[in-house]
Amino acid sequence: NAGVMQNPRHLVRRRGQEARLRCSPMKGHSHVYWYRQLPEEGLKFMVYLQKENIIDESGMPKERFSAEFPKEGPSILRIQQVVRGDSAAYFCASSPLQANTEAFFGQGTRLTVV
Amino acid sequence: KNEVEQSPQNLTAQEGEFITINCSYSVGISALHWLQQHPGGGIVSLFMLSSGKKKHGRLIATINIQEKHSSLHITASHPRDSAVYICAVGFGSSNTGKLIFGQGTTLQVKP
Repeated sequence: NAGVMQNPRHLVRRRGQEARLRCSPMKGHSHVYWYRQLPEEGLKFMVYLQKENIIDESGMPKERFSAEFPKEGPSILRIQQVVRGDSAAYFCASSPLQANTEAFFGQGTRLTVV
Repeated sequence: KNEVEQSPQNLTAQEGEFITINCSYSVGISALHWLQQHPGGGIVSLFMLSSGKKKHGRLIATINIQEKHSSLHITASHPRDSAVYICAVGFGSSNTGKLIFGQGTTLQVKP
């Protein structure tokens, strides 16, 4: 049973381009969470999704960021028109249930905007 | 004031020493997580606990709900334990997986 898979591990984008980060949850997990870790800062919650539904996006910036978790395929975190301040490590976690369940984290995608 | 505070922020120890990392939180929680992150690496979940104490190998985690405090202990520390240790809390009955994280404790164990 493979763990949470994120790709790419490293992503370099020029300012103004789009970044797409992918997360495949563990087999049997239907809950996905995205977190961001800015340089020299702690992790911050961004969004919580179930299959085809966004449950809580209170941590997502209002503009340029979107997330989806389609019925088939990985969860996607999309950042449009990236700026230097988007440079960070983006982690995905998955769990089989909503509450009081251990979450399993991916290796993260390190986004660098140049 | 952060909702989740860890101490110390940085910790250097000699191999074999007993290590304690503390976490205090200011909100009611459903569960507390201890995570480990190696430099440039992913995040590994060490413990999830809502009461009492858990042990896994040389690692021990305790939580006191009344005092809103948790500790992570490492016995017989080893250089491979060098990493950032992060405390995170999840919320009550409406938990959406929205964890709040501490700033992390950077541990270096010297041989």
